[in-house]
Amino acid sequence: NAGVTQTPKFQVLKTGQSMTLQCAQDMNHEYMSWYRQDPGMGLRLIHYSVGAGITDQGEVPNGYNVSRSTTEDFPLRLLSAAPSQTSVYFCASRQGLTGELFFGEGSRLTVL
Amino acid sequence: AQKITQTQPGMFVQEKEAVTLDCTYDTSDQSYGLFWYKQPSSGEMIFLIYQGSYDEQNATEGRYSLNFQKARKSANLVISASQLGDSAMYFCAMREGRKGGSEKLVFGKGTKLTVNP
Repeated sequence: NAGVTQTPKFQVLKTGQSMTLQCAQDMNHEYMSWYRQDPGMGLRLIHYSVGAGITDQGEVPNGYNVSRSTTEDFPLRLLSAAPSQTSVYFCASRQGLTGELFFGEGSRLTVL
Repeated sequence: AQKITQTQPGMFVQEKEAVTLDCTYDTSDQSYGLFWYKQPSSGEMIFLIYQGSYDEQNATEGRYSLNFQKARKSANLVISASQLGDSAMYFCAMREGRKGGSEKLVFGKGTKLTVNP
């Protein structure tokens, strides 16, 4: 099983550029989410979705957009990248309320 | 106020000894879940153990056990017989009860465990 697949794994952007981090899961999970991980900060929730067509903001949503047109995909868009968005980004999914999150391998983004 | 507090930025343990990683949480919900994840230096997040707020028994998974003290709002992870491969960052996380059809998982800042030979 592929599980949760994130692409790209590494990306370097210039300030002001836009890009999309892709996330796909093949487990038919309803719940998907995006986190960012910064040194000393743990993981912070950016956006999440409880099903196709439904998204909501997490703790640090500014500068990011998401959409959920299918159960499988949950892309994260940076419309105008800023150096403060340099981070490692994790996509995760879960089936139901009590299950654990399954994480992708992470995407390391550097904004110059 | 922080929802999840991990007060130990770093911990050291000798191989084969047991170690306890602390986690306290803050919630007013009656229904919630507590998780522990491991992040080795390779970066992936690995689920270790889960404890539901209504579970009467402490959760156990192999060498991992969760010391759940509900009144004290603590959910400490105990690793028995530490191995060199246990060296990693460990994150405590909490899922609060469902509110308006949505829910979130909140993570602590983590504890870096180093197992010495």
